[in-house]
Amino acid sequence: QKEVEQNSGPLSVPEGAIASLNCTYSDRGSQSFFWYRQYSGKSPELIMSIYSNGDKEDGRFTAQLNKASQYVSLLIRDSQPSDSATYLCAVRWNSGNTPLVFGKGTRLSVIA
Amino acid sequence: GAVVSQHPSWVICKSGTSVKIECRSLDFQATTMFWYRQFPKQSLMLMATSNEGSKATYEQGVEKDKFLINHASLTLSTLTVTSAHPEDSSFYICSAISHYGYTFGSGTRLTVV
Repeated sequence: QKEVEQNSGPLSVPEGAIASLNCTYSDRGSQSFFWYRQYSGKSPELIMSIYSNGDKEDGRFTAQLNKASQYVSLLIRDSQPSDSATYLCAVRWNSGNTPLVFGKGTRLSVIA
Repeated sequence: GAVVSQHPSWVICKSGTSVKIECRSLDFQATTMFWYRQFPKQSLMLMATSNEGSKATYEQGVEKDKFLINHASLTLSTLTVTSAHPEDSSFYICSAISHYGYTFGSGTRLTVV
């Protein structure tokens, strides 16, 4: 069974610090990887997607992918209280009209 | 960007009644719609995949006779929770793939009393 694993947290970081969120997945053949942010009672919002090994940066966010280790991470620099949310890692197992499989999410709390 | 409009955003119903949730793709054709359910402090769990004009594919453990999915057009997919019970209370979210990638509806909070 294809699984996506995340530490549920909560992860608490002080304002201005770097928050590091981690995710592992079970299927070595997975194609695409996504990080979503979800506020309570709301739908997920896409932060970043990553498809190739290495780092991908977008503003304060950096996604890192290591397919050999089946590991994907998200770094949030200069964390702000507004970043406090649940961060969901999602994996697309193959191409085509396939659904995303989500991890349980990591709750991040940025302390002012 | 692509938009999936989901209604209602919240609904309260009595145990034993049925509730219909609609997801409409507003500016693209959604040949496939994914339906997820999210319990408090849990992740999004895929319930079923619906394809326009054909029967939905349900995930293991999801009762197809209880969660009726209809995808009769390229812009509308519906999920009907039949004979709802309190354990069906959850956050239901639809998702489709557009040219912008995966697009999610805003979710429906269902409370069965």
